[in-house]
Amino acid sequence: EVQLLESGGGLVQPGGSLRLSCAASGFTFNNYAMTWVRQAPGKGLEWVSAISGSGGGTYFADSVKGRFAISRDNSKHTLYLQMNSLRAEDTAVYYCAKYRTGSSRDFDYWGQGTLVTVSS
Amino acid sequence: DIQMTQSPSSLSASVGDRVTITCRASQSIGSYLNWYQQKPGKAPRLLMYAASSFQSGVPSRFSGSGSGTDFTLTISSLQPEDFATYYCQQSHSIPLTFGGGTKVEIK
Repeated sequence: EVQLLESGGGLVQPGGSLRLSCAASGFTFNNYAMTWVRQAPGKGLEWVSAISGSGGGTYFADSVKGRFAISRDNSKHTLYLQMNSLRAEDTAVYYCAKYRTGSSRDFDYWGQGTLVTVSS
Repeated sequence: DIQMTQSPSSLSASVGDRVTITCRASQSIGSYLNWYQQKPGKAPRLLMYAASSFQSGVPSRFSGSGSGTDFTLTISSLQPEDFATYYCQQSHSIPLTFGGGTKVEIK
């Protein structure tokens, strides 16, 4: 059974940093690109970042480019999102999700989400 | 960036109704269009990919169509468990983008 479990969310002050983790199980992790999608309270879905199965390719939304970094440790079956220079508009539930196929760019399994609140 | 526009933003319908949601891309995306269902407090669920392909486990009352810039998601006979918010997403090019969502409510 595929499972994705996010952790690392919480309250952080503007300008602060936070690292999210997503522990994966139930599939061959290194065979699949992974992604982060966020949802601000009461709002729609926003794609944030993606990483190839090997970790050699990374992609970002303009809204987070230069502030966020995505990485993965295939030996630990874990995906990460390092978030720096956080702003109030980064407040959201952050979901990690698995690509349906190696590089399909649609997402068949999602974690339960972790809430990040940026506020003083 | 490719903008995705969904309509309507919300609708009220009764159990058994036929419901159609539309999604328009700001430029041609071929069939690189996916649909998700999200219930309150839950993660999204993939319903359809490549415009008209069913994700495993999705009931056959759901169907998707379209190509290029115009797409539709149809629920042939609305069931109580279908009341949710639906999102389209283009997978043609980075940055990946979602539509604003369509909330399907009980009439």
